[in-house]
Amino acid sequence: TQLLEQSPQFLSIQEGENLTVYCNSSSVFSSLQWYRQEPGEGPVLLVTVVTGGEVKKLKRLTFQFGDARKDSSLHITAAQPGDTGLYLCAGASVAAYKYIFGTGTRLKVLA
Amino acid sequence: NAGVTQTPKFQVLKTGQSMTLQCAQDMNHEYMSWYRQDPGMGLRLIHYSVGAGITDQGEVPNGYNVSRSTTEDFPLRLLSAAPSQTSVYFCASSPGDSANYGYTFGSGTRLTVV
Repeated sequence: TQLLEQSPQFLSIQEGENLTVYCNSSSVFSSLQWYRQEPGEGPVLLVTVVTGGEVKKLKRLTFQFGDARKDSSLHITAAQPGDTGLYLCAGASVAAYKYIFGTGTRLKVLA
Repeated sequence: NAGVTQTPKFQVLKTGQSMTLQCAQDMNHEYMSWYRQDPGMGLRLIHYSVGAGITDQGEVPNGYNVSRSTTEDFPLRLLSAAPSQTSVYFCASSPGDSANYGYTFGSGTRLTVV
């Protein structure tokens, strides 16, 4: 069974701090996507990473795809209260090709 | 563009009742899917469609039916509601393979079955 495990599960930090969340699997993925979900809303797509080792930046958010395409990370610099939400990774493994979502990281940034 | 529109936003049903959750998208997306989101279980795929007239089962299809008569609409029917179907339901659409394009999600329907 392919799984996307995210860590940490919960994170509460002060405004201005930096943080990194992780998305790991034992399977190789053709690509990985990151979403952010705010309370009462559906997930919103942030980025797609496709190539092993790829780094993409979206303002203060930096996304990296692992060299072996089995993992990804999201780094937020100088977190702001507006970054609060549930962060989800998602993708389809090369072997099973079933699109799945990760377990999620719930981030709270305190002002 | 409105994107993906889901109605209703909230619904309470009694056990055994049936209802239809509506989903419409105005982006001419071929792929549409229904997910349910439960605490500790994440997002799980119920049914999906790769185009008008084509539907298939996802991970948790029991108790739900779908149809796709047009590109725009993808309603989800609960046949006989059970308390286990209490959840938040999301409709999502994609212009093609979700692994390549990702999904655009609606804002969800929060369903409580009593």
